Amino acid sequence: GEDVEQSLFLSVREGDSSVINCTYTDSSSTYLYWYKQEPGAGLQLLTYIFSNMDMKQDQRLTVLLNKKDKHLSLRIADTQTGDSAIYFCAESTVSGGYNKLIFGAGTRLAVHP
Amino acid sequence: GAGVSQSPSNKVTEKGKDVELRCDPISGHTALYWYRQSLGQGLEFLIYFQGNSAPDKSGLPSDRFSAERTGGSVSTLTIQRTQQEDSAVYLCASSSLNEQFFGPGTRLTVL
Repeated sequence: GEDVEQSLFLSVREGDSSVINCTYTDSSSTYLYWYKQEPGAGLQLLTYIFSNMDMKQDQRLTVLLNKKDKHLSLRIADTQTGDSAIYFCAESTVSGGYNKLIFGAGTRLAVHP
Repeated sequence: GAGVSQSPSNKVTEKGKDVELRCDPISGHTALYWYRQSLGQGLEFLIYFQGNSAPDKSGLPSDRFSAERTGGSVSTLTIQRTQQEDSAVYLCASSSLNEQFFGPGTRLTVL
């Protein structure tokens, strides 16, 4: 079945770049997503990429997709303390208007001064 | 409304009791999803609604779990005879095209 894996923890210094990695197994994935979850809050969609794209940039966020290796990464430039959260990678296959997301376990990003 | 809302935000219940969790999706979103997030885990898909019908219930963990949606809007997830392993955060999402928007979740604790 489909599976999404992420490293569980990442610690970075404020101002540095963060790179969160994700691998997935479903080669028919249509979209790949990054969600952010702050303590006690729901999931916030950060960005997503269509599977025929290699890269997407949105302000401080850069998503890279290597479809051959089924590897997705999220780079956060100039990481701030407000970026501390859990980041979830998810993949989906759209079929008949149905977009079921398969999530990784999440990467906890800790930003320290 | 402006976003997906869920109620209650927290629910503590005793083992064996039934609970109902509510989700109000974003107005106009026809697709609605329920997920469960156990402590330290990712999100586990439970059920998907398109309008009032549920084409995919494959994620419901047992027959104690059921869900319905009325008027193509509000959805209720019901857990009967709750067990301690049901303790988790239950998240609802509604969808427009390729984006799913999540509610804040209901934290369920079964004592």
